[in-house]
Amino acid sequence: DAKTTQPPSMDCAEGRAANLPCNHSTISGNEYVYWYRQIHSQGPQYITHGLKNNETNEMASLIITEDRKSSTLILPHATLRDTAVYYCIVVAASNTGKLIFGQGTTLQVKP
Amino acid sequence: EAGVAQSPRYKIIEKRQSVAFWCNPISGHATLYWYQQILGQGPKLLIQFQNNGVVDDSQLPKDRFSAERLKGVDSTLKIQPAKLEDSAVYLCASSLVAGWGINEQFFGPGTRLTVL
Repeated sequence: DAKTTQPPSMDCAEGRAANLPCNHSTISGNEYVYWYRQIHSQGPQYITHGLKNNETNEMASLIITEDRKSSTLILPHATLRDTAVYYCIVVAASNTGKLIFGQGTTLQVKP
Repeated sequence: EAGVAQSPRYKIIEKRQSVAFWCNPISGHATLYWYQQILGQGPKLLIQFQNNGVVDDSQLPKDRFSAERLKGVDSTLKIQPAKLEDSAVYLCASSLVAGWGINEQFFGPGTRLTVL
């Protein structure tokens, strides 16, 4: 599975959009981009995933560049409860389901 | 819908002792995962079950760790004997299916193990 690179930490003001970048320059055609987050003292939580097209759900929007080498997870109106570690993970379509977590980005939402 | 249940939530043992963790996945989920999360790191997969068969245990330290999933539902993870470096949070996750881009895993709250 392709490796991802994320900034170790980011700050965001409450109510503003949080834009979390992820670089996956070695991604191949059959690999998906998944995002999970982990709030302190809880297990990781699935947010969204995509292959080529942008995806939006009630939690966030996922924007994947046309060349698929990078993506951005957007939390449109961040709240204090969005403070968490966000993981960007690339998963092959033929994968057994195994998730390989990196260090992720620690997002701190400030009042 | 009930989530993934784990017990105990916390466990403190001395090195060389044994310990066991229990996981009850979401009803109907065929795939079950055990992850180890050391402080400051992302979770690392230890073992994956599909129903009651092992799919991947390449990262499981088999000299001291064992896991089973009887009847394809509940699972237990055991460490015997424990070492100081086993101090971590042990996370259980389950998913409806695995592979082919469908990979929404549901995680339990984890068991925090401290080895003294």
